[in-house]
Amino acid sequence: DAGVTQSPTHLIKTRGQQVTLRCSPISGHKSVSWYQQVLGQGPQFIFQYYEKEERGRGNFPDRFSARQFPNYSSELNVNALLLGDSALYLCASSYAGKNTEAFFGQGTRLTVV
Amino acid sequence: AQRVTQPEKLLSVFKGAPVELKCNYSYSGSPELFWYVQYSRQRLQLLLRHISRESIKGFTADLNKGETSFHLKKPFAQEEDSAMYYCARVEGAQKLVFGQGTRLTINP
Repeated sequence: DAGVTQSPTHLIKTRGQQVTLRCSPISGHKSVSWYQQVLGQGPQFIFQYYEKEERGRGNFPDRFSARQFPNYSSELNVNALLLGDSALYLCASSYAGKNTEAFFGQGTRLTVV
Repeated sequence: AQRVTQPEKLLSVFKGAPVELKCNYSYSGSPELFWYVQYSRQRLQLLLRHISRESIKGFTADLNKGETSFHLKKPFAQEEDSAMYYCARVEGAQKLVFGQGTRLTINP
């Protein structure tokens, strides 16, 4: 099993542009969560999706959106990029429910210039 | 909002010495707490969770509700323990709230 895979691994965008990040969960996992990790900080929760429905949203502006597809893969979209959006974006998948381990991908390093 | 605090950004100890990474959480009933670790060039991975009460790679962590702490301990540090360590708790269904992390360096 390849584990949680994210693409691309690195990305450079200009302020005001839009970006789409992709995540493929571990086979059989139905829950996907997205986290933003700014340099020197711990990961911060953005979204959780389970069975293609949004189940949780962190304190992020509406410029951030996400969706989950029938095959449980997920996309994170960020519009009108700001310099402050530069960060490592992590995707985590888990089987279902509480007390299940979250498995993280390697992340997508987004740089906004 | 629930908070997780790791007071030390950096911790350096010698090989063979005891290690304690501190974690405090904001009080809220019965928390579900975890320690995650990130070794160099590897992805974030679960080290241990308090409900399992197990020892992983020689590490243990005890939940102290009176002090709202979940410190990570190892009696004898090894060089391969050098990594970034994050304490986290579950909020709601599966949202993880992370501390800022502690970079542990084990000196030979």
